Amino acid sequence: DIQLTQSPSTLSASVGDTVTITCRASQSTNNYLAWYQQKPGKAPKLLMYKASILEAGVPSRFSGSGSGTECTLTISGLQPDDFATYYCQQYKSDFVTFGGGTRVEI
Amino acid sequence: QVHLVESGGGEAKPGRSLTLSCVASGFTFSNYGMHWVRQAPGKGLEWVALIWYDGSKTYYADSVKGRFTISRDNSKNTLYLEMGGLREEDSAKFYCVKDRGYGDPPDAFDVWGLGTTVTVSA
Repeated sequence: DIQLTQSPSTLSASVGDTVTITCRASQSTNNYLAWYQQKPGKAPKLLMYKASILEAGVPSRFSGSGSGTECTLTISGLQPDDFATYYCQQYKSDFVTFGGGTRVEI
Repeated sequence: QVHLVESGGGEAKPGRSLTLSCVASGFTFSNYGMHWVRQAPGKGLEWVALIWYDGSKTYYADSVKGRFTISRDNSKNTLYLEMGGLREEDSAKFYCVKDRGYGDPPDAFDVWGLGTTVTVSA
């Protein structure tokens, strides 16, 4: 299975900041990587797929990049609604795996 | 509107069985792969199982292989997860999730249900 390691596990930031979350894979994901946002008590929400393609309706302040074994999610100009936990996910393998999550807090 | 509604969660004793269901609406269910994903209290997301759009192939996480069975009835727009040999570490909220594609191969997960909670305790 492809293991995913997210860093940092917790990120403290302020409204207006630009933050970056990194997802490192144990082997190449060929950019078959997605990012999800989850708020407490809610189901996850798809933000990005194929490493850098924004899901419909997701604000453009979210962006993704990377290749091979490392991908990043950047939020440019944090908004109050963005404080949440973010997960990366690989779907290169039939055995899908998630990263451990990054909590973005005030 | 696209909806996934899970049911069947509850309490069970270790070693017992439980079956979860998920009814889909708002999209052509038979065209998409479907997954179950779980989340233990205070923990991260764990993919559990995948079934192709036509039900012809299934895949499981090592943690549930041999104990859980994913299936679907496309005539009823319903996804199932039969859970046997339950363990305390299976306690989690289980989400029914739609794949962006057929499931062959898997794609990102674009629609999630609200989840149903399973608690395994002696």
